[in-house]
Amino acid sequence: EAQVTQNPRYLITVTGKKLTVTCSQNMNHEYMSWYRQDPGLGLRQIYYSMNVEVTDKGDVPEGYKVSRKEKRNFPLILESPSPNQTSLYFCASSILGGRGRSEQYFGPGTRLTVT
Amino acid sequence: DAKTTQPTSMDCAEGRAANLPCNHSTISGNEYVYWYRQIHSQGPQYIIHGLKNNETNEMASLIITEDRKSSTLILPHATLRDTAVYYCIVSGLIQGAQKLVFGQGTRLTINP
Repeated sequence: EAQVTQNPRYLITVTGKKLTVTCSQNMNHEYMSWYRQDPGLGLRQIYYSMNVEVTDKGDVPEGYKVSRKEKRNFPLILESPSPNQTSLYFCASSILGGRGRSEQYFGPGTRLTVT
Repeated sequence: DAKTTQPTSMDCAEGRAANLPCNHSTISGNEYVYWYRQIHSQGPQYIIHGLKNNETNEMASLIITEDRKSSTLILPHATLRDTAVYYCIVSGLIQGAQKLVFGQGTRLTINP
């Protein structure tokens, strides 16, 4: 089954304790992206990657890092989490295509709470 | 990317057609209209997209006006499982990838 998986699904942590949220897709997609969703602010893009070893900042990259060493994986790293990073996080992937045919497939989400 | 305007919320009876409008008066020639939906706090789900022609797939139909300044998503026979927030997004392709900018969307409630 084609899917994007995220782990963990729920995480409660403390300020400053480094954490990684994993994202994996089995569709051989070149493009992968991370979003965060907050009440009243909608979904906002954190980072994206066009292919292996190619990453770039989205709209709200501060406090986050990513890596893309393999095509299927795109982990999101919070080196020193802070309470304002409490949010619902989504990973997404897509092909790189023309004619608009690059719809994104989203993972189930990771709910992160930083105390 | 062009900005979109959608009603905050809508209601529809189960079994009827749900028509969700979207205004995008500043859309440019190479931008597509995409619709996604989000059921509760699940990951957004792609529904349909179009450039200037009307489109239909197994989930919905998309009607784009001739001047491309507005569009309507049609769910032909709405079910309770269609209750969700629906996002209309206008976006071009950047190096072959969508740049999705999500607004607040329309909260559609399907009533039994």
